[in-house]
Amino acid sequence: AQKVTQAQTEISVVEKEDVTLDCVYETRDTTYYLFWYKQPPSGELVFLIRRNSFDEQNEISGRYSWNFQKSTSSFNFTITASQVVDSAVYFCALSDLYNQGGKLIFGQGTELSVKP
Amino acid sequence: GAVVSQHPSRVICKSGTSVKIECRSLDFQATTMFWYRQFPKQSLMLMATSNEGSKATYEQGVEKDKFLINHASLTLSTLTVTSAHPEDSSFYICSARDFRGRHPDTQYFGPGTRLTVL
Repeated sequence: AQKVTQAQTEISVVEKEDVTLDCVYETRDTTYYLFWYKQPPSGELVFLIRRNSFDEQNEISGRYSWNFQKSTSSFNFTITASQVVDSAVYFCALSDLYNQGGKLIFGQGTELSVKP
Repeated sequence: GAVVSQHPSRVICKSGTSVKIECRSLDFQATTMFWYRQFPKQSLMLMATSNEGSKATYEQGVEKDKFLINHASLTLSTLTVTSAHPEDSSFYICSARDFRGRHPDTQYFGPGTRLTVL
């Protein structure tokens, strides 16, 4: 069975601190996709990144970076120099496009609070 | 690109009435849309997969007759909560995949609809 675990339910940091959100997944499939979404207080889920199982390159986008390690089944997300606007709930998700029709399996989410 | 809208954003209704929520892909065609439900402080729970021109596929435990889904065109899916009761109060979110887009495996989400049943 597929599963995504975000062990950190809440994280609180002070502005400008770096913060890493952990994501561990389980799947028997060899081809799958991993995603991160941001859900600000408004409620809309904002797509941040996708990564397929064959691409283990880390990615950096501005203050955001992602570390994908198949050996540990982890897809961690780091925000550098956090800002108050980063306060939101962040969801990690897993998708098996070919066998499950693209269904997303979400983690429980990590609520990040960045204080000024 | 890949913008998904939902209407209404908020709805308050009396117990026993039916409520229809629309999900539209604005700048792409979506053969598949998904409907999720989210309770406060919880993750998203997939309710059903909506396929254009065919019946929706419901997840285990989701009542088909309670949550009617219609995907009549490539840009519109509707979710009707029939005979709503207070326990149906929740945040309903739809998503869509752009099969012809650069990343057909990515789901793009609408802004959500907050339903309150009195």
